[in-house]
Amino acid sequence: AQSVTQPDIHITVSEGASLELRCNYSYGATPYLFWYVQSPGQGLQLLLKYFSGDTLVQGIKGFEAEFKRSQSSFNLRKPSVHWSDAAEYFCAVGLTGTASKLTFGTGTRLQVTL
Amino acid sequence: GAGVSQSPRYKVAKRGQDVALRCDPISGHVSLFWYQQALGQGPEFLTYFQNEAQLDKSGLPSDRFFAERPEGSVSTLKIQRTQQEDSAVYLCASSLGGFHYNEQFFGPGTRLTVL
Repeated sequence: AQSVTQPDIHITVSEGASLELRCNYSYGATPYLFWYVQSPGQGLQLLLKYFSGDTLVQGIKGFEAEFKRSQSSFNLRKPSVHWSDAAEYFCAVGLTGTASKLTFGTGTRLQVTL
Repeated sequence: GAGVSQSPRYKVAKRGQDVALRCDPISGHVSLFWYQQALGQGPEFLTYFQNEAQLDKSGLPSDRFFAERPEGSVSTLKIQRTQQEDSAVYLCASSLGGFHYNEQFFGPGTRLTVL
């Protein structure tokens, strides 16, 4: 069965600093890969997704992620964090070829200090 | 356009009570998903509908959980004889559906607390 690991439960960065959130997945083939953000009381919002092709994908709000097949990783990055980026971030995988269920990691809570 | 809506947003139930959670997907979305998000965890898949057909219910934790989407639009997740371990946020998502992946749009969730 597929699984997703987000090793960092909580990360604190200063506003303006760079950010990298880690995500590793376990799956027999290359799945669809996603990053979602969840603010308190809000639903999940899709930041970006990877299906195939260019391994560096751009998303909304200045986020990007890089797929590394050899490391089974899909880390999320942002060059300069804003205070409004404070939220919970979830990495997720989906099976290729189907409009299917998503398997989520346990999330990383991002705190931004001013 | 309206997004996915869920009601109620908060529900408190005494152990043993039955509850019903409603999801209104985005109009025209064929696929509908239910997820359960326990405190401090990521969402976990419960069940999936394509139109009115429930194609996957492998994530439902017990036979106390039941979901329906009778007209292929609004969906209801029912939990019978609630237990404390059922306390969680229940998320609904909808997508255009079809064979290829389409983005799932999530509702704000219903927070269920079982006392």
